[in-house]
Amino acid sequence: AQTVTQSQPEMSVQEAETVTLSCTYDTSESDYYLFWYKQPPSRQMILVIRQEAYKQQNATENRFSVNFQKAAKSFSLKISDSQLGDAAMYFCAYRSQGGSEKLVFGKGTKLTVNP
Amino acid sequence: DAGVIQSPRHEVTEMGQEVTLRCKPISGHNSLFWYRQTMMRGLELLIYFNNNVPIDDSGMPEDRFSAKMPNASFSTLKIQPSEPRDSAVYFCASSPTGYRGSNQPQHFGDGTRLSIL
Repeated sequence: AQTVTQSQPEMSVQEAETVTLSCTYDTSESDYYLFWYKQPPSRQMILVIRQEAYKQQNATENRFSVNFQKAAKSFSLKISDSQLGDAAMYFCAYRSQGGSEKLVFGKGTKLTVNP
Repeated sequence: DAGVIQSPRHEVTEMGQEVTLRCKPISGHNSLFWYRQTMMRGLELLIYFNNNVPIDDSGMPEDRFSAKMPNASFSTLKIQPSEPRDSAVYFCASSPTGYRGSNQPQHFGDGTRLSIL
């Protein structure tokens, strides 16, 4: 079974600075998808960014980018120019390409943005 | 477009009572997922449907939990009888997947916060 590990329960960053959230996963599959979701205090689950394992190029979405290291099974999220609205829980998630459609989530990292 | 709609947003009830959570997926999405979020266990899949058929119910904790999807626009998650340890946030999500190889993300509803006293 696949597992996802987020080793940083909490992180903090100064407004306008850059922060990187870590995520590692364990799988024997070669094809899969990885996602980062954001959960603000409002409880919504909001997709931040996604990465297909077969793509070598790291995904980017505006201020958000990932460092995908397939051999190391690492999928970190970098937030540049942090804003107060970025404060939230961030969840890393894994999904098989050929098997179950379910998302396997990490335990999350709570990000605090200091003004 | 309307997102995934869940009701109720909050539910407080006494143990032993029946609880029914409801979900309307995004129109056109043919996969529907029920997740549970707790402090101890994080986010876990309970069950998911594809084209209204249950595909993976390995996360359903026990016989007290049941889920149905009578049509493409509605699903229920029922707990009977409820227990205090069922207190959690329950999320419904949908996606347009249903075939292998799709990278379409799951879209989540706002969740139902369930408290069993």
